[in-house]
Amino acid sequence: AQKITQTQPGMFVQEKEAVTLDCTYDTSDPSYGLFWYKQPSSGEMIFLIYQGSYDQQNATEGRYSLNFQKARKSANLVISASQLGDSAMYFCAMRANSGGGADGLTFGKGTHLIIQP
Amino acid sequence: DAGVTQSPTHLIKTRGQHVTLRCSPISGHKSVSWYQQVLGQGPQFIFQYYEKEERGRGNFPDRFSARQFPNYSSELNVNALLLGDSALYLCASSLGGQAGGYTFGSGTRLTVV
Repeated sequence: AQKITQTQPGMFVQEKEAVTLDCTYDTSDPSYGLFWYKQPSSGEMIFLIYQGSYDQQNATEGRYSLNFQKARKSANLVISASQLGDSAMYFCAMRANSGGGADGLTFGKGTHLIIQP
Repeated sequence: DAGVTQSPTHLIKTRGQHVTLRCSPISGHKSVSWYQQVLGQGPQFIFQYYEKEERGRGNFPDRFSARQFPNYSSELNVNALLLGDSALYLCASSLGGQAGGYTFGSGTRLTVV
């Protein structure tokens, strides 16, 4: 079974500062994928970034980067130069690749990020 | 291109009733998965369908069922509704297997009274 732990229920950050959202995971599957999603109050889950367990380099997508530390089983999301529009819930999720990923995504409980002007 | 479309966006049902939620995936995506998100929690996996066959099932009672049609759209059915079934139901489409990520729809917000 897979487990995702997000230990920060809420965070307040000043606009333009960088922010790190923590995520640790647990799985016995040697091949897996890690995802970060943003969920604004409208409810839609917006894909931000993906990291495969065998990827040699940390993933980056614009202002988003994933600090992947495999030995520590952590996959922290870093948002550079935060903006007011970044205020939302953020979810870390995992997919175990054994069985073709048929067990879907396992999500953490999320972090509520609020960007202050 | 249209994204993942879910209908209805909101609905209110009474305990004991039945509900059907619908999802149309992104064109070219053959896999649809369903998630339940109760208030204050992360989404929980319910089902995954690929090429019209159930490929994965989460820890949900038999009151929950789903199917996928030849055009890859999907329905989630919930029988004998309980108050605890009140949640946001999210549909995600993907290419299938390990290929690619998941694109989510805006969800259906179900309230059971």
